[in-house]
Amino acid sequence: AQTVTQSQPEMSVQEAETVTLSCTYDTSESDYYLFWYKQPPSRQMILVIRQEAYKQQNATENRFSVNFQKAAKSFSLKISDSQLGDAAMYFCAYMGWGGANSKLTFGKGITLSVRP
Amino acid sequence: GAGVSQSPRYKVAKRGQDVALRCDPISGHVSLFWYQQALGQGPEFLTYFQNEAQLDKSGLPSDRFFAERPEGSVSTLKIQRTQQEDSAVYLCASSSQALSGNTIYFGEGSWLTVV
Repeated sequence: AQTVTQSQPEMSVQEAETVTLSCTYDTSESDYYLFWYKQPPSRQMILVIRQEAYKQQNATENRFSVNFQKAAKSFSLKISDSQLGDAAMYFCAYMGWGGANSKLTFGKGITLSVRP
Repeated sequence: GAGVSQSPRYKVAKRGQDVALRCDPISGHVSLFWYQQALGQGPEFLTYFQNEAQLDKSGLPSDRFFAERPEGSVSTLKIQRTQQEDSAVYLCASSSQALSGNTIYFGEGSWLTVV
């Protein structure tokens, strides 16, 4: 079974600074997808960024980018120019390849606070 | 609809009571998922539908949990004889295709408290 580990329960960053959130995963598959989701207090999961394992290039979405290390099974999220609105819980998630594997497996999450 | 809609948003149930949680996915979305999120934890998979077919129910914690999607759109998660350990946020999500990698859109969840 696939597992996702987020070992840092909390992180804090100064507004306008850069922060990196760590995630590791375990799988025996060679093709899969990885995601970072943001969850504000409203509890709605919002997709931040996704990465296809077969792509070597790291995904970027505006201020958000990932460092995907397939051999190390590591998938960290970098938030640049942090804003107060970035404060939330962030979850790393794994999805296998193939229709029956389209469910997400989440880590425990990390609470990010942004200091003004 | 514009997004995944869930109701009720908040439910307080007495232990032993049955509850039903409703999910309205994005119109036309084929795939529908239910997740359970306990306080301070990540969401845990419960069950998956492709249209009206329940293809995976491996995450349902006990036979007190039952989900259905009879016409391939709206889904209901039913919990019978609720227990305190059932207290959690129940998240519904949908996706436009039955393919891996498709973006999954989440609702705001139904917060269940069992007293």
